[in-house]
Amino acid sequence: KAGVTQTPRYLIKTRGQQVTLSCSPISGHRSVSWYQQTPGQGLQFLFEYFSETQRNKGNFPGRFSGRQFSNSRSEMNVSTLELGDSALYLCASSLEQPITGELFFGEGSRLTVL
Amino acid sequence: GENVEQHPSTLSVQEGDSAVIKCTYSDSASNYFPWYKQELGKGPQLIIDIRSNVGEKKDQRIAVTLNKTAKHFSLHITETQPEDSAVYFCAASRDRGSTLGRLYFGRGTQLTVWP
Repeated sequence: KAGVTQTPRYLIKTRGQQVTLSCSPISGHRSVSWYQQTPGQGLQFLFEYFSETQRNKGNFPGRFSGRQFSNSRSEMNVSTLELGDSALYLCASSLEQPITGELFFGEGSRLTVL
Repeated sequence: GENVEQHPSTLSVQEGDSAVIKCTYSDSASNYFPWYKQELGKGPQLIIDIRSNVGEKKDQRIAVTLNKTAKHFSLHITETQPEDSAVYFCAASRDRGSTLGRLYFGRGTQLTVWP
């Protein structure tokens, strides 16, 4: 069974640009969550989607957005990039509600903002 | 919201020794406590979890204990091996309310097991 797939794995952008990251969950999983990981702040929750609906959102500015498609694949977008957005962005999927079962993480997309 | 504190931030042990990582949480409504292991260049992987209706859970060399009254939980690794070297994260969540579906993570513990 294929795991959670995130693309791209690495990318470099400059300040002011925007970026779109993609996540393909494990087949059959309907919930997708996104987390930002940085050395200074650790793992911070961005948002969670279930059946194309955002169920929960973390404390990030509106420049961070996401969506989920009917096949459960998800994308997140960051507009007007800032240096502080440099981080590892992790996507995780689960069957239904994340806290009722195991959360499976992808290997992440490492974003560097110059 | 929930606040999860994790200690120590780094831990070095000799192969075969035990390792203990401790976490505290602030929200008494939290009822799910997973532990994740993250190896270099990879995403976190669930290694064990415990729910608030259980005080202890064990899986081979790994065990987790939960003290709801004191709001702390711990990860115990016995007979450590070099392949246990990784960053370990504790987390807390609850299955109802406005934070449904959200995990609050500790800051992580870098465990190094020396052969």
